[in-house]
Amino acid sequence: EVQLVESGGGSVQPGGSLRLSCEASGFTLSNYWMTWVRQAPGKGLEWVADIKEDGTERYCVDSVKGRFIISRDNAKNSLFLQMNGLRVEDTAVYFCARDDYTGTGARPYYYMDVWGKGTTVTVSS
Amino acid sequence: DIQMTQSPSSLSASVGDRVTITCRASQSIGSYLNWYQQKPGKAPKILISVASMLQSGVPSRFSGSGSGTDFTLTISSLQPEDFATYYCQQSYSNFRSFGQGTKLEIK
Repeated sequence: EVQLVESGGGSVQPGGSLRLSCEASGFTLSNYWMTWVRQAPGKGLEWVADIKEDGTERYCVDSVKGRFIISRDNAKNSLFLQMNGLRVEDTAVYFCARDDYTGTGARPYYYMDVWGKGTTVTVSS
Repeated sequence: DIQMTQSPSSLSASVGDRVTITCRASQSIGSYLNWYQQKPGKAPKILISVASMLQSGVPSRFSGSGSGTDFTLTISSLQPEDFATYYCQQSYSNFRSFGQGTKLEIK
C-alpha cells in the first residue's frame, strides 16, 4: 500500500525548533518530487516547500525562507522539514505529499496524489 | 508569485443540485491547475489535474474546465458525500500556491 506517515510535531515556544519527518512506503521515494503543505487551524491549505527527486532543487514559500529547510534521504525513504525560529503563525497541521505528474517533455503537469494524515505543530508561549 | 482566487468562499446547496466553483490565477498558467477535496480532519484528495483530467476513482459527476487564468470545477448532481471544502492549486510555478478554498455546505 502506498503510504506517507508524518511524525515529529509537538508544542514549542516561539523561537524554538522542530524537525518533521515523513516516512514513505509502497513506492520508490527517489522517483518523486515531494512537498510539505500546512493548514493553520480553521484556515486553508498553504504550500510550504518542495524538493526534487534527488534533492538538487528546493523551493519554499517566502514566509518560511531562511527558517525552514526541506530535505530528504531516499535511502531511508524519508522526507524532512527542519523548522527553526518558529513563530506563532507557524501553528498548523503539516502534511507531506507526493508529487506525481503527467505529460512528457520539459514541463510535466504535477499534482499531489498521495498525502499523509498530517502532524500538528503548535507554537505558543 | 502566482495568486489563486476562488469564488465563492462558501456555498450552500442541496443534494441533486449542480454547482460550479471558480478559480482565477493572477497570471496565465496554461492548464497547470489541480482541484482537491478536503473533508474535516482529513487530508486533501486530488480530484482533477491538468485542469480537466479526472483522477482514477473520482466520480464522473465532477468535471473541470478552463485554461490560462480562469478555471471551473463543476459537480453535476451533488451527493451527500460531496459536502466538503474544495481547493484549486497551480503547478505552473515552482512556487506552488492554493486558492483560499470553497466550503460547500448543505442547504
